[in-house]
Amino acid sequence: GESVGLHLPTLSVQEGDNSIINCAYSNSASDYFIWYKQESGKGPQFIIDIRSNMDKRQGQRVTVLLNKTVKHLSLQIAATQPGDSAVYFCAEQYSGGGADGLTFGKGTHLIIQP
Amino acid sequence: EPEVTQTPSHQVTQMGQEVILRCVPISNHLYFYWYRQILGQKVEFLVSFYNNEISEKSEIFDDQFSVERPDGSNFTLKIRSTKLEDSAMYFCASRAPGRSNTEAFFGQGTRLTVV
Repeated sequence: GESVGLHLPTLSVQEGDNSIINCAYSNSASDYFIWYKQESGKGPQFIIDIRSNMDKRQGQRVTVLLNKTVKHLSLQIAATQPGDSAVYFCAEQYSGGGADGLTFGKGTHLIIQP
Repeated sequence: EPEVTQTPSHQVTQMGQEVILRCVPISNHLYFYWYRQILGQKVEFLVSFYNNEISEKSEIFDDQFSVERPDGSNFTLKIRSTKLEDSAMYFCASRAPGRSNTEAFFGQGTRLTVV
């Protein structure tokens, strides 16, 4: 079946460096692609989303890139801080037929080293 | 800052027992969701709820599951006869009207342990 998945389970970067978390998706009909951050013991927290008709969107210290040709999504975090340490999930949303739920990938654990 | 509140934070129950997980969504939100996360795995969609009815449900959400909005503030998930494999974190989420479907706010979760 179609699914959203992540290439790497763990990513370790030095504090202050930039990090890139990657995601592959397979449902070309999805309307939105989203990144969530989950800190230990907490629920997922929305970071940024991108509509399927866009290829780049920037937020505060974060940039999401969408490459529909190869069905690839990435999250760039600039100047990483200790508080960025968390598990990052990509997710996709398809709203056809009144559908509403998000399909999450497995997650990448980002570790920020001092 | 408004937040989604879930109770209890941890629930231990015996196999075959009924459990009710409770959620108080953000007050002006109209779309409500339940997700679950088995330890170490990805977050899985269970059900969405709008205008007092289910708008979408996943394959996981079988006849053992039900949702209810008994009053103007609570949103509950009931599992009628729990199984060992129902052990997971259960997250409630809510979304405001007129916003993108992706901007859902999640609660802290209820850890359900079935023994």
